[in-house]
Amino acid sequence: GESVGLHLPTLSVQEGDNSIINCAYSNSASDYFIWYKQESGKGPQFIIDIRSNMDKRQGQRVTVLLNKTVKHLSLQIAATQPGDSAVYFCADGLTFGKGTHLIIQP
Amino acid sequence: KAGVTQTPRYLIKTRGQQVTLSCSPISGHRSVSWYQQTPGQGLQFLFEYFSETQRNKGNFPGRFSGRQFSNSRSEMNVSTLELGDSALYLCASSLTTGGTNTEAFFGQGTRLTVV
Repeated sequence: GESVGLHLPTLSVQEGDNSIINCAYSNSASDYFIWYKQESGKGPQFIIDIRSNMDKRQGQRVTVLLNKTVKHLSLQIAATQPGDSAVYFCADGLTFGKGTHLIIQP
Repeated sequence: KAGVTQTPRYLIKTRGQQVTLSCSPISGHRSVSWYQQTPGQGLQFLFEYFSETQRNKGNFPGRFSGRQFSNSRSEMNVSTLELGDSALYLCASSLTTGGTNTEAFFGQGTRLTVV
């Protein structure tokens, strides 16, 4: 069946470094993708989205890249801060990946 | 504007019992989706309701059911509870159906523990 997955369950980075979180999807007909951030004790929150007619979209300190050829998207977080510690999910429609836990080392 | 409200926040039930969870979406949102979140499986889609009709359904047994009322509030019911049903149940509301075109707004969830 269709699935959305992330490559790594945990990613540890130094404060101030850039973080890259990856996601693969299987539905070639997918045309809308979202990245969510879930902090401890809270529900997921929208970070940024991208449509299939785009390769890249930038927000504040975040960039999402979409490679439709290999059905892969990534979330880049610039100058990672302690507040970025959370679990990050990519979503394809109603389907979510299992999440990557981003840990920020001081 | 009030966010998505889920009640109760915490619940402890015994195996074999049934439970009903409630979700009030953001005003104006007609789509409500439910998810089960466990440490090993991440967020798993249960079902989505839009304008009182179930529009999409995940791969969960028939013990899991839901409904949506005319004011877009939604309830989720789990019958004959099993230990494996212990999880965080998240509700999300959005303007459109199918998770396309717009983002979903999540509540804080209901933490269900089955003993």
